[in-house]
Amino acid sequence: GAVVSQHPSRVICKSGTSVKIECRSLDFQATTMFWYRQFPKQSLMLMATSNEGSKATYEQGVEKDKFLINHASLTLSTLTVTSAHPEDSSFYICSARVGSLYGYTFGSGTRLTVV
Amino acid sequence: KQEVTQIPAALSVPEGENLVLNCSFTDSAIYNLQWFRQDPGKGLTSLLLIQSSQREQTSGRLNASLDKSSGRSTLYIAASQPGDSATYLCAVKGDQTGANNLFFGTGTRLTVIP
Repeated sequence: GAVVSQHPSRVICKSGTSVKIECRSLDFQATTMFWYRQFPKQSLMLMATSNEGSKATYEQGVEKDKFLINHASLTLSTLTVTSAHPEDSSFYICSARVGSLYGYTFGSGTRLTVV
Repeated sequence: KQEVTQIPAALSVPEGENLVLNCSFTDSAIYNLQWFRQDPGKGLTSLLLIQSSQREQTSGRLNASLDKSSGRSTLYIAASQPGDSATYLCAVKGDQTGANNLFFGTGTRLTVIP
């Protein structure tokens, strides 16, 4: 089946540094990918929609300068958390729509801890 | 805006029991509904996808139903096993053109006791 590979699975960084998270579609092309954030014991919150070759669409309340999204190819989208702060610590998950018959597939998630 | 609710928030059952998880959504104009499983600290694994024109889907011990007009879906798990312990999320996709994102429920945390 369609697989989305997300790296890294876990990252610890110092406050003020930037962290890049990669999301790759391994056996299909994804013109659109989605980035979610999940707080402990809560559901997924959509942050932004990543569009290949164009600017990402951000949800209300999500700072686009804080969470930089790049979707330069049909198989790769990246999320960069810039100048990370402890409140950015969270679980980030990417997703891609495989098609009408298969729905959506998700990456394995990235646990970001900012110290 | 679409709102998705899952009841109960948490459920504990002894091994071998059959159980039902519930999902309700406020806007019946959906394209499809998908059930996922999430293990602690992990991503989401797709379990079943029901198109808006379908009433149910089955995969092994899992059966998902959809009643679009009433805004409800259920996930039935037969003969539960400890390995079924996880959080189960339902998500709906709107049928509007260009609406590609999913609306997620709050999840049901299932514990199957050996």
